[in-house]
Amino acid sequence: QKEVEQDPGPLSVPEGAIVSLNCTYSNSAFQYFMWYRQYSRKGPELLMYTYSSGNKEDGRFTAQVDKSSKYISLFIRDSQPSDSATYLCAMIEYEGNTPLVFGKGTRLSVIA
Amino acid sequence: EPEVTQTPSHQVTQMGQEVILRCVPISNHLYFYWYRQILGQKVEFLVSFYNNEISEKSEIFDDQFSVERPDGSNFTLKIRSTKLEDSAMYFCASIDPAGASTDTQYFGPGTRLTVL
Repeated sequence: QKEVEQDPGPLSVPEGAIVSLNCTYSNSAFQYFMWYRQYSRKGPELLMYTYSSGNKEDGRFTAQVDKSSKYISLFIRDSQPSDSATYLCAMIEYEGNTPLVFGKGTRLSVIA
Repeated sequence: EPEVTQTPSHQVTQMGQEVILRCVPISNHLYFYWYRQILGQKVEFLVSFYNNEISEKSEIFDDQFSVERPDGSNFTLKIRSTKLEDSAMYFCASIDPAGASTDTQYFGPGTRLTVL
């Protein structure tokens, strides 16, 4: 069964903190992993996209995938109040026209 | 920057009424999706659409739902007889087939559907 688990939070951190967001999944066929950011009353916006296991860095954001543990993470360094949003993990088995399978999302608040 | 647009932003309807949610995907995109998010729940896939036909649909997408691309720009989701449990945010998404990743789905801002 395709299932993605994500702690919904809420998570509240002070400005400048390092944030760690995580998802676990049960379907070992997932190969492509994404993190979306969703501001209140807006659509999800793609933040990070990774394939298979490993790390990917983009500015203050780092995505990690551990396929052996079926565990993915998003780290946010030097968190800012503007990072306050809901972060959704999503994944798919193969490239192409395939629907995303989402986690429930973690609501993050960064306090100035 | 091109973006997916959706109208209306909020739709209130009575149970049993038909609603049509509209989306304008990014102009060169070829794959289109509808997702929904019930308050406090996961974003769930409803249907994907390519080359003027449904590619895949979830078990949620029953006979009450239909999709259409009536012209070269609009992509619509119709719910024939709304139920209370259809109340949710409905998101349209599209894929750029020539993008850096063929899986990058661009989402619209959503339509909040409230069924009374």
